[in-house]
Amino acid sequence: GQQLNQSPQSMFIQEGEDVSMNCTSSSIFNTWLWYKQEPGEGPVLLIALYKAGELTSNGRLTAQFGITRKDSFLNISASIPSDVGIYFCAGQLDADGLTFGKGTHLIIQP
Amino acid sequence: GAGVSQSPRYKVAKRGQDVALRCDPISGHVSLFWYQQALGQGPEFLTYFQNEAQLDKSGLPSDRFFAERPEGSVSTLKIQRTQQEDSAVYLCASSLARGTGEAFGSGTQLSVL
Repeated sequence: GQQLNQSPQSMFIQEGEDVSMNCTSSSIFNTWLWYKQEPGEGPVLLIALYKAGELTSNGRLTAQFGITRKDSFLNISASIPSDVGIYFCAGQLDADGLTFGKGTHLIIQP
Repeated sequence: GAGVSQSPRYKVAKRGQDVALRCDPISGHVSLFWYQQALGQGPEFLTYFQNEAQLDKSGLPSDRFFAERPEGSVSTLKIQRTQQEDSAVYLCASSLARGTGEAFGSGTQLSVL
């Protein structure tokens, strides 16, 4: 099946720093999505990307849908303590289910 | 309701028992998905409904897993003769239309002893 490689696996950063994480795939997707998951909760949608090359922002978050349709990145600017969590990329081809990466654990050191 | 609701929140089963997990999607959402999330992993797709029709069940790991959505709203995921490897969080998600991003419930954490 399709595989998503998400990196880095974890990030230890200082509050106020910018964060960057990315996902690559062995095959193309028509939609890329970024989710955040906190302990004991389901993933929450942060940004959805529907077009190759699309760059979308949501507050301090910016994500891009790669031109090849096989990759995406998520940037978080000026991190704050509530950004802590696990960030997942997910790809979708059509109306089928999502294929998720393994997640990036974001830890913010005081 | 305002979001996707799943019950029970936690389920402990003895190996060999049958379990049923319920999902109430967001009202009006046509698409409904079930995912399995093992500890430390991303969610993995199990099955997909559009209204009452189960359009894709390619992710169900064995014939012990069965899902239904008889009236196109509430869905139930049933696992028969549970095994220890079935222990995971089972997530339900719904969306208004294809490709619009899925809203997830908080999941049911299943522990099989």
